[in-house]
Amino acid sequence: AQTVTQSQPEMSVQEAETVTLSCTYDTSESNYYLFWYKQPPSRQMILVIRQEAYKQQNATENRFSVNFQKAAKSFSLKISDSQLGDTAMYFCAFMKADSNYQLIWGAGTKLIIKP
Amino acid sequence: EAGVTQFPSHSVIEKGQTVTLRCDPISGHDNLYWYRRVMGKEIKFLLHFVKESKQDESGMPNNRFLAERTGGTYSTLKVQPAELEDSGVYFCASSPRLDSYEQYFGPGTRLTVT
Repeated sequence: AQTVTQSQPEMSVQEAETVTLSCTYDTSESNYYLFWYKQPPSRQMILVIRQEAYKQQNATENRFSVNFQKAAKSFSLKISDSQLGDTAMYFCAFMKADSNYQLIWGAGTKLIIKP
Repeated sequence: EAGVTQFPSHSVIEKGQTVTLRCDPISGHDNLYWYRRVMGKEIKFLLHFVKESKQDESGMPNNRFLAERTGGTYSTLKVQPAELEDSGVYFCASSPRLDSYEQYFGPGTRLTVT
């Protein structure tokens, strides 16, 4: 069975700083997807970034980038130039490819951006 | 385009009562998922509909939970009778195709059983 671990329950940084959220996972699958979702306070969960396991290049979406280390089963999220609007719960999730497409989630990291 | 909506946003019920949660997916999305986050724990998959059919209900905790998706549009999740451990946030998500890896989430329903 697959598991996803987020070891940082809460983090806080100053606005404009760079922050890295950790995520490790365990799987015997070779083909899968990894995701970071963000849930701002009292708002909907939205997809921040995704990574296909077969791609060696790390995914990037504007200020958000990942460090995908497949051998180490690590998938960290880096937020550059953090903004107040980045304050949210961040969830790391795993999806086995070509299967039932259910997401397997980490426990989440609460990120607070301080002014 | 309207997003995924869920109703109610918050429900407080007593142990033993019945509650029905509703999810309206994005129009045209065949796939509908239910997830649950019990306080302080990971979000867990409950079940997956493809149109009106249950594709996978392996995550349903027990037979007190009943999910339906009549006509392949909105879905309901009924808990009867509710227990204290059912408290948590219930999320619904939808996606357009079976091989879509991006799921679009609703705001969740916070269920409190007292």
